[in-house]
Amino acid sequence: SQQGEEDPQALSIQEGENATMNCSYKTSINNLQWYRQNSGRGLVHLILIRSNEREKHSGRLRVTLDTSKKSSSLLITASRAADTASYFCATDDGYGNKLVFGAGTILRVKS
Amino acid sequence: GAVVSQHPSWVICKSGTSVKIECRSLDFQATTMFWYRQFPKQSLMLMATSNEGSKATYEQGVEKDKFLINHASLTLSTLTVTSAHPEDSSFYICSATTSGRVYEQYFGPGTRLTVT
Repeated sequence: SQQGEEDPQALSIQEGENATMNCSYKTSINNLQWYRQNSGRGLVHLILIRSNEREKHSGRLRVTLDTSKKSSSLLITASRAADTASYFCATDDGYGNKLVFGAGTILRVKS
Repeated sequence: GAVVSQHPSWVICKSGTSVKIECRSLDFQATTMFWYRQFPKQSLMLMATSNEGSKATYEQGVEKDKFLINHASLTLSTLTVTSAHPEDSSFYICSATTSGRVYEQYFGPGTRLTVT
């Protein structure tokens, strides 16, 4: 079963703009990850944030985590056409047995 | 490092036949491998978890007799879709971890299965 929801389901922006995607989850977690998936391809790991962290940066990516609200956001700054992809959050199931993925956000960056 | 490959990358088979998908960890030993299924425009759904030399653990609702998983070595796991039907058409993705930690999974590129 899916852990949570992501919104928006789809996002279309112009190159250079920022893109923000949100993820909510249901159970307590140890960490949360964000992945990118280009169409018809496998997953690329972007960033992991632990439950005791509130914010993390990696290049043009900024991830926040609010465990009280059980939510996370992924911000991509100065977007590029190459950022066009689906983005998924994933959490462990609370027992460390498996990853549970959110529904994903389809991002389209227009050049 | 930490490369996972899948073979084939795409396959078309006729309804009623079986098809095998291989997942290999190329530069590390994978104590645990995971198999996911992804329908178009949907998220990844875990099908099963396999540990080398052990029987796979299937998620609720996944038919273990239909989706046979073999993790015969620390670098190879196979998924066999038996008696495939058009509704089995999907994107199958495997992942592997050497640490046993689920948040340290390395994903394969996926296999597109089309059943006609």
